[in-house]
Amino acid sequence: AQSVTQLGSHVSVSEGALVLLRCNYSSSVPPYLFWYVQYPNQGLQLLLKYTTGATLVKGINGFEAEFKKSETSFHLTKPSAHMSDAAEYFCAVRKTGNQFYFGTGTSLTVIP
Amino acid sequence: NAGVMQNPRHLVRRRGQEARLRCSPMKGHSHVYWYRQLPEEGLKFMVYLQKENIIDESGMPKERFSAEFPKEGPSILRIQQVVRGDSAAYFCASSPPWASGGDNEQFFGPGTRLTVL
Repeated sequence: AQSVTQLGSHVSVSEGALVLLRCNYSSSVPPYLFWYVQYPNQGLQLLLKYTTGATLVKGINGFEAEFKKSETSFHLTKPSAHMSDAAEYFCAVRKTGNQFYFGTGTSLTVIP
Repeated sequence: NAGVMQNPRHLVRRRGQEARLRCSPMKGHSHVYWYRQLPEEGLKFMVYLQKENIIDESGMPKERFSAEFPKEGPSILRIQQVVRGDSAAYFCASSPPWASGGDNEQFFGPGTRLTVL
């Protein structure tokens, strides 16, 4: 069964517009959730993570994500897109036993 | 504290040769994961290892691919008799043991880009 689903493999936004990248997970236990960013020809870098506590998580570069248990979602947002945000974004869930599951990724294009 | 190290960063092989990719996890990390990223595709899990143990190899192709994480030294992903379809970026990640904190993320290396001619 798919553990992480990222809706939209490609997202385009205008510079200055809202960025919304969607992630839904399936888990029978409270998960640990992560967003990673990958710039061209580089490895993945952690943007933010949800563990416990506050459901709105703030990360680097102005990104944030909200854990919504009722919707099993962990969407990534940024109020105003910047050209440097163009990259591939991966949602991931960590379940017990150190198993990580990654989504297939969303490629973000920022249009000047 | 050095990050996850992978070498080589770029590897060129001819069809039929062997490719060996190395990964040194972060200090204190005993869990290693290998992923493959094909051009224009997402990250595909290959194998999860702990020291001297393969925990989950459900993403590994049944033939030609093998992985190890010995007691001493780096983790090795080995591809025998490479074919053009093996051309991809291979990423290694490491994490601490679960018991040390369930909120620990995976830390990724810069990847090895394999090109098969």
